[in-house]
Amino acid sequence: GAVVSQHPSRVICKSGTSVKIECRSLDFQATTMFWYRQFPKQSLMLMATSNEGSKATYEQGVEKDKFLINHASLTLSTLTVTSAHPEDSSFYICSARPPPGQDRGEQFFGPGTRLTVL
Amino acid sequence: AQSVAQPEDQVNVAEGNPLTVKCTYSVSGNPYLFWYVQYPNRGLQFLLKYITGDNLVKGSYGFEAEFNKSQTSFHLKKPSALVSDSALYFCAVRSHYNQGGKLIFGQGTELSVKP
Repeated sequence: GAVVSQHPSRVICKSGTSVKIECRSLDFQATTMFWYRQFPKQSLMLMATSNEGSKATYEQGVEKDKFLINHASLTLSTLTVTSAHPEDSSFYICSARPPPGQDRGEQFFGPGTRLTVL
Repeated sequence: AQSVAQPEDQVNVAEGNPLTVKCTYSVSGNPYLFWYVQYPNRGLQFLLKYITGDNLVKGSYGFEAEFNKSQTSFHLKKPSALVSDSALYFCAVRSHYNQGGKLIFGQGTELSVKP
């Protein structure tokens, strides 16, 4: 149980285009999902907290107009990188937290999406 | 402010030897502590956690960790390392006050187990 998927696993796009990454909780409902960015051999940097049915909460320094987050259902959150540039190239990871009552503390992570902007 | 420190960027161990990956934390209130492992180009896999109860926590793949409140540490251990344990390990903390569930991660420790 507690499986989180991400799609696509890898994407290459041209500078100036937008890319959408999906994060799905497959066997549980996730009222809260998190989006992280990771550079090679570095730690995870939390970008935003996504709550179902409400606006995402962005961490300081993260541009909300560039990284659009939509948590439209209890099993799906999407991250759209708008007008992508080479400096946006990174590994993006999502995680999901079960709802209260099922939450035992840990988050469950997706396999990640490797974004390369040319 | 909450923080997690993993003082070693890399740990090298011979196969069959015990391994320790260190973690210390700073958090307001009682900590929720976690260890995750990451293989190349993959997401994080949950290994174990401490929420409350016994200070010695046993997790997946033979790993365990000991919560030490006085030293604010949560070191990850395994009695006998395997080559397949080679990966990037992250310690994470969350305050029990933090109902939003946000995790603070350490910088990661790369474990290399040689045959």
